[in-house]
Amino acid sequence: NAGVTQTPKFRVLKTGQSMTLLCAQDMNHEYMYWYRQDPGMGLRLIHYSVGEGTTAKGEVPDGYNVSRLKKQNFLLGLESAAPSQTSVYFCASSSPAVPYNEQFFGPGTRLTVL
Amino acid sequence: GIQVEQSPPDLILQEGANSTLRCNFSDSVNNLQWFHQNPWGQLINLFYIPSGTKQNGRLSATTVATERYSLLYISSSQTTDSGVYFCAGPGSGGGADGLTFGKGTHLIIQP
Repeated sequence: NAGVTQTPKFRVLKTGQSMTLLCAQDMNHEYMYWYRQDPGMGLRLIHYSVGEGTTAKGEVPDGYNVSRLKKQNFLLGLESAAPSQTSVYFCASSSPAVPYNEQFFGPGTRLTVL
Repeated sequence: GIQVEQSPPDLILQEGANSTLRCNFSDSVNNLQWFHQNPWGQLINLFYIPSGTKQNGRLSATTVATERYSLLYISSSQTTDSGVYFCAGPGSGGGADGLTFGKGTHLIIQP
């Protein structure tokens, strides 16, 4: 049982380049999330999904797109990377069952945009 | 949306000491979690505790929902307890729309 996994672990991009971060979970969770963590701060929600084929915006969605084509996967895309998107990105998943919405996190992806 | 405030922001203790970390939240919660972010950046679930008291080894947590705060107790601290402790409550919708995190308490346990 791997839990929540993220690919890649590290990435360096140049301004304007694009990339996709992959999150996978094997806990059969309905809900999945993408957060970013900047130095000295807690995590902030980028986008989330409550089920296959559905996505919604979080607190800081600008510059990102997401897709959830399969229940177990949640992709985060950066179409034209900017230095302000340098951050650590965390994926999480949870279930509407009891305990309600207890979230479990992946190991993170450290992204640097030059 | 809900506001989550944690105190203290920083804490330095000697090995063996006890500590209490506090989390205040601005509204009622149906989800309250404590996490430990270790020095390698990994987020580890400690407690899911929207109300009541739970214990897990040297750690325990209490949430008083009517007074909108939660406390995390660490007893007999070890150097491996170092890291950042986050409290997180529900998002603005109160449902599946993610967690709202506090800024964390940075704990350093010195040998």
